[in-house]
Amino acid sequence: GQQLNQSPQSMFIQEGEDVSMNCTSSSIFNTWLWYKQDPGEGPVLLIALYKAGELTSNGRLTAQFGITRKDSFLNISASIPSDVGIYFCAGRSNDYKLSFGAGTTVTVRA
Amino acid sequence: DGGITQSPKYLFRKEGQNVTLSCEQNLNHDAMYWYRQDPGQGLRLIYYSQIVNDFQKGDIAEGYSVSREKKESFPLTVTSAQKNPTAFYLCASRRQGMARGGYTFGSGTRLTVV
Repeated sequence: GQQLNQSPQSMFIQEGEDVSMNCTSSSIFNTWLWYKQDPGEGPVLLIALYKAGELTSNGRLTAQFGITRKDSFLNISASIPSDVGIYFCAGRSNDYKLSFGAGTTVTVRA
Repeated sequence: DGGITQSPKYLFRKEGQNVTLSCEQNLNHDAMYWYRQDPGQGLRLIYYSQIVNDFQKGDIAEGYSVSREKKESFPLTVTSAQKNPTAFYLCASRRQGMARGGYTFGSGTRLTVV
């Protein structure tokens, strides 16, 4: 699988700020997934997107499946300290294989 | 509660040794996957299995081997042929035929060559 282009690579954010990260691909995907990974643990699914243009929220998290099916973004509103971690995007193709971005490391300044 | 269990959490390997990482799931998932994670990189697929007694190579299979004798278990062996085995290894599973839902991941095994 290909590696997706995820940006930014890292970010320092102030508690209470809204932040955004995105992922782009040269290929079309039929599903976009966003995961969060805490240090030394496995990724946990945050949001799944199944349709081009879909906008989905999960608490303070909002993600969108791009119209071209080649991109997605994730927003976190009103950051809190427990938002620290690495966020990964993943695109799923028709054979159900996942391609991952390199991750966005989020550090919150209290 | 159902989930995926990886063991051990930490593993140290001497040069030239083979080591086996365990992955067990009680989710009744058909497909299982092994990924390797290196700092600053996304997860890379090593091997995957969609049914018992069948598995396919992923993108970085060289130096690794797997077996799938039971639905619940998908052990990964890191052989001496793997030149740079130090990494964080993640096992995942998925129910076949479900168009929705992502993969469920285990908590990982950190392998270090000493």
